[in-house]
Amino acid sequence: KQEVTQIPAALSVPEGENLVLNCSFTDSAIYNLQWFRQDPGKGLTSLLLIQSSQREQTSGRLNASLDKSSGRSTLYIAASQPGDSATYLCAERPEADRGSTLGRLYFGRGTQLTVWP
Amino acid sequence: DAGITQSPRHKVTETGTPVTLRCHQTENHRYMYWYRQDPGHGLRLIHYSYGVKDTDKGEVSDGYSVSRSKTEDFLLTLESATSSQTSVYFCAISESTGGAVEGYTFGSGTRLTVV
Repeated sequence: KQEVTQIPAALSVPEGENLVLNCSFTDSAIYNLQWFRQDPGKGLTSLLLIQSSQREQTSGRLNASLDKSSGRSTLYIAASQPGDSATYLCAERPEADRGSTLGRLYFGRGTQLTVWP
Repeated sequence: DAGITQSPRHKVTETGTPVTLRCHQTENHRYMYWYRQDPGHGLRLIHYSYGVKDTDKGEVSDGYSVSRSKTEDFLLTLESATSSQTSVYFCAISESTGGAVEGYTFGSGTRLTVV
């Protein structure tokens, strides 16, 4: 069974810092990996999706990388802002779903980020 | 989120009672999913649907059933609610284009408390 782990569980930083959130998975047979943001009492918002054939994706101040061989993904947030405060979740879609348009996701427990002014 | 709504947003129910949660979408997406989110576990897939009347089990399906009689509605039923089913329930939708799954959209969640 695929296990997805996120470290750290919580992170508190001052505004302006660059930071890295980590995600690891036990089975390298993944189809793709996504990073989501969750605000308190809200649903999840997709941030970045990396296909298994890709090494990284960028969107604004966010950069996500994927290293299948080591079973790791990182989310890099540049010049953090208080508005970045949220819980960040990574989720992998298994290789077993390749060839299927079904998109089951397996989630980590998340990293709760607080950026203070 | 626009295009997907969950109801109710909050519910308190007694142990042993049946409960039905509703997910409604206006995007005409083929795939719909029910997840539960618990501290220490993250989100886990309960059931999913790949079309009208087509459903299958996820990781944690025991004690739950689902139905999809229309494209836009996906119902999650707890046949006899237990305290272990106290959780936040999220519905999600996705679509495929050219064989590739497009991004997911999640609902805002239903907070269910079983007392």
